[in-house]
Order: sequence, then C-alpha cells, then structure tokens
Amino acid sequence: GNSVTQMEGPVTLSEEAFLTINCTYTATGYPSLFWYVQYPGEGLQLLLKATKADDKGSNKGFEATYRKETTSFHLEKGSVQVSDSAVYFCALRSSNTGKLIFGQGTTLQVKP
Amino acid sequence: NAGVTQTPKFQVLKTGQSMTLQCAQDMNHNSMYWYRQDPGMGLRLIYYSASEGTTDKGEVPNGYNVSRLNKREFSLRLESAAPSQTSVYFCASSAPGQGTYGYTFGSGTRLTVV
Repeated sequence: GNSVTQMEGPVTLSEEAFLTINCTYTATGYPSLFWYVQYPGEGLQLLLKATKADDKGSNKGFEATYRKETTSFHLEKGSVQVSDSAVYFCALRSSNTGKLIFGQGTTLQVKP
Repeated sequence: NAGVTQTPKFQVLKTGQSMTLQCAQDMNHNSMYWYRQDPGMGLRLIYYSASEGTTDKGEVPNGYNVSRLNKREFSLRLESAAPSQTSVYFCASSAPGQGTYGYTFGSGTRLTVV
C-alpha cells in the first residue's frame, strides 16, 4: 500500500541554520507529493507540492525535489527563522484513489 | 474568507455522550474528508466523501458516522464517546480531479473525552 515515512523529530536548530527534513514514500502509480506546515494551535497549510518526477516545489524559501529514483521528497531551507518553528508533514496523493496519505510529522524548533 | 470552517473549536465530553462536529466549505469542492491527529501518528483518515451523496470509510472509522448533507457540508458524529477518541479533528476538502491538487484544511476541533 501507499505510505510516507518522515525523519523523527524534534529537530532543533539555531536561527540561520540549514534545514533538511527527510521524507521517503512508497506508492503505486504516479503520486503527487506535498509538504504541509502546521503552526501551533492551527490547521494544516499547504507549503509546496510537486506533481511529477524531477519537479521542484518551492515556497517561502523552502524547497523539495520529487526524486522518483530514490522515492524521496526531502524538505530544505537555506536559513531558518524562529517563525519557521512548526510541525511539518510530508504527504502523497495517490493517482489511483485521490486520497492524501500523511507521514507522522516532524516538529521543528528554531532558537534565536 | 473562502475556506473550510469547523465548529466547535473546543469540546469536552463525558464518556458515553454523543456529539456532531460540523464542517462546511465554500470553494465548490466535490470531495471532503475527516481526519484525526494524534501525537506521533500524523493524520489518519476517518471517513471521506468523494462527491455529494457518497461516503466511504477511511483508515480508522470505528466509533464514528458521517453525513454529507449537501455539497458544502460534511458532518462527523460520535454516537457514544470514548476516551480513545480524545484527539484533534480536521476537516478538509479538495477540488475535482485526482492527484495534482492538495487539500484545504479547517482549523480543527480539539476534543477531550473524560
């Protein structure tokens, strides 16, 4: 079946550090891949997406590249800010069922 | 503002009580979903409705029922609440078509069953 695995958190970084949150997936067909962000006390917001192999999604300084050969969609940011502190979810949407499947989430804490 | 609206935002229930979580979207989306979020487990799909008039079970449907009242509204009912149903519940909707669209989420309902 389809599944998403994220690196375990929490991830604690100093401001301006480089961020990588790993995400790998298992899927049949050709899924679309997403990163969602959840700020404290709020719902999930779409951060970025990629719909086919080698696509790069980007938004607010975050990037992720759809790597079919390694079944990965790692999230990166060159210089994190305190305001980036949140929970990040990797997800895939199956082309067969249309349902969105989430990883377990990774908590990021950025310290000044 | 356009989006997904959930009510209530917070609720405390006693074991055995019933309640209905309400969800409405104004984006003319066909599909709607209910998820629960628990620490370390990500979001798990409870029920979904691919289109008006249809509903299907997700990963964790036991103890819940749903109603797709019309295209806009999708409610989740707990008939006899249990402490294991303490969670944060999110409603979401998505545009027609498979695959390339993400979901739009509501802000959540924080439910505690004592």
